[in-house]
Amino acid sequence: DAKTTQPPSMDCAEGRAANLPCNHSTISGNEYVYWYRQIHSQGPQYIIHGLKNNETNEMASLIITEDRKSSTLILPHATLRDTAVYYCIVRADTGGFKTIFGAGTRLFVKA
Amino acid sequence: GAVVSQHPSRVICKSGTSVKIECRSLDFQATTMFWYRQFPKQSLMLMATSNEGSKATYEQGVEKDKFLINHASLTLSTLTVTSAHPEDSSFYICSAYTRTDTQYFGPGTRLTVL
Repeated sequence: DAKTTQPPSMDCAEGRAANLPCNHSTISGNEYVYWYRQIHSQGPQYIIHGLKNNETNEMASLIITEDRKSSTLILPHATLRDTAVYYCIVRADTGGFKTIFGAGTRLFVKA
Repeated sequence: GAVVSQHPSRVICKSGTSVKIECRSLDFQATTMFWYRQFPKQSLMLMATSNEGSKATYEQGVEKDKFLINHASLTLSTLTVTSAHPEDSSFYICSAYTRTDTQYFGPGTRLTVL
């Protein structure tokens, strides 16, 4: 079973920041938080991951609470092409561990 | 970055026939690959873990005799849907880990069984 809880859908205006929350209250000490997204009829795309510190890359920022029970993915300037299903996943970061997907959040970016 | 490919991208077959889907890691070796299935408007469901040189590990409820997995080399895993029926119509996605433990997903294969 997925170990995360996400809102089923969210809307965001184009050009504004999209903040996608995720609850993972049962996360273990050796588990990382991963974010993937899936654009319609494509395979999932890796976005970002982190253990306990906030992370930023060219796609997004990841904010993890101090108790690690929740996190937020931030797309700083959402575009129409960011419309997708976003999956928050917790997983131990050692090779071969399988990724279990929850329902994700369907993000609609509107012009 | 690393790339995972799948072939074919879409396939239509008659009920009762078998269909083979290939998953390749193009620029890295993958000792472990995973196969997922996704029905419309649903999330990805893990079907099995494909291990190079050994038998696949199937998730509960997935019929191993219906979904045959072969991982004959470090860059190729195949999923064969045997005696396909309309209820097997789905989007099949594979993924693979690189040696740095980064997971990449293939573009998916859409199977339609008539």
